[in-house]
Amino acid sequence: DTGVSQNPRHKITKRGQNVTFRCDPISEHNRLYWYRQTLGQGPEFLTYFQNEAQLEKSRLLSDRFSAERPKGSFSTLEIQRTEQGDSAMYLCASSIEVTNEKLFFGSGTQLSVL
Amino acid sequence: AQSVTQLGSHVSVSEGALVLLRCNYSSSVPPYLFWYVQYPNQGLQLLLKYTTGATLVKGINGFEAEFKKSETSFHLTKPSAHMSDAAEYFCAAFTNTGNQFYFGTGTSLTVIP
Repeated sequence: DTGVSQNPRHKITKRGQNVTFRCDPISEHNRLYWYRQTLGQGPEFLTYFQNEAQLEKSRLLSDRFSAERPKGSFSTLEIQRTEQGDSAMYLCASSIEVTNEKLFFGSGTQLSVL
Repeated sequence: AQSVTQLGSHVSVSEGALVLLRCNYSSSVPPYLFWYVQYPNQGLQLLLKYTTGATLVKGINGFEAEFKKSETSFHLTKPSAHMSDAAEYFCAAFTNTGNQFYFGTGTSLTVIP
């Protein structure tokens, strides 16, 4: 069990650029979640996958955001045409239990949009 | 609809004193409840969780929490604070009907030597 891995740890980009983050969940975890966290706030749900299927998306996930989980393993979160308001910590979490959910979180990707 | 409310965004206690972090939930169905801790520049770590059964649950590092359905609360306590307990603490709720976690806004715990 190597834990949930997220890359990169930090990303600085200029407004209007596209960015992509990667999350490698704990192996055999079939559920994968993306959350966004801003300073002084708790994590806000963005989307989640059951295996390769994206089952739910938050209203926070605008058209500029897209997430994929090909083959039900790692996942990517892409933000197109970044805006300063996208600056946040993006957290990935995975779980395996169905009825007694317990999330394992990665260390997050800190995005700064200049 | 679900929501989680954490009363007090900042709590300061002296080393050795009781720690009490408050959490109330609002849910149409009984939720599973969790407390997570986040240290600077790290991801969230699970402290403890309540699903069913005993309403007093014990977690890591000497923390415990009690589920009180009548008060819709799940407060986190520790009898004696340690300097290493200084961190951000998040309460979270999950229901199978929603299939997602709802987090509170967090409580920052400061331990004074």
